Amino acid sequence: GAVVSQHPSRVICKSGTSVKIECRSLDFQATTMFWYRQFPKQSLMLMATSNEGSKATYEQGVEKDKFLINHASLTLSTLTVTSAHPEDSSFYICSAGRPGTGHLWTEAFFGQGTRLTVV
Amino acid sequence: DQQVKQNSPSLSVQEGRISILNCDYTNSMFDYFLWYKKYPAEGPTFLISISSIKDKNEDGRFTVFLNKSAKHLSLHIVPSQPGDSAVYFCAARGVWGAQKLVFGQGTRLTINP
Repeated sequence: GAVVSQHPSRVICKSGTSVKIECRSLDFQATTMFWYRQFPKQSLMLMATSNEGSKATYEQGVEKDKFLINHASLTLSTLTVTSAHPEDSSFYICSAGRPGTGHLWTEAFFGQGTRLTVV
Repeated sequence: DQQVKQNSPSLSVQEGRISILNCDYTNSMFDYFLWYKKYPAEGPTFLISISSIKDKNEDGRFTVFLNKSAKHLSLHIVPSQPGDSAVYFCAARGVWGAQKLVFGQGTRLTINP
């Protein structure tokens, strides 16, 4: 399968600071990227979907001013957790959609995830 | 509002037998379905997918069946191997708006020797 690299894999930050997580598709151009959050023993909760060059579409209940998503190129998307609080501590995972013959993605590959701990 | 549902949180199967993982969805606008395997603290690994215009797709030991009228899909693994033990997620692609990818709650599959 294709390679999606997510960095950092683990980060600890102080409450009130901001943290940026990067997601790169290394061997294909991702027209669509997704950001998920996983709580312990729960499913992947979709936070937002971003298409290159346009604003991200956030799911209901996700604060767009707190979770800033930038999809500046076809290989890079970033998630910035602003003014982080302990309740933001979680496992964040990105995914990149690889288009098929049309413009719609037909395969989605995941990064390794980022464990964020806010102290 | 859980649009993709996996109602069995866990499943235990004997090695060599068939594992059947089920998934239901509520939104008829989903047009593409995917199955993923996941280990703790890692991203999901893609297994197999199926378009809504098909009812079956096979790849080695993995077969996915789709019943559109029932809004139900299933993943068959045969024969099951100990290395198949993991959490399995089904996911669906929505073609409206941003083409989102929505996940079910996952089923923990344990293969017993």
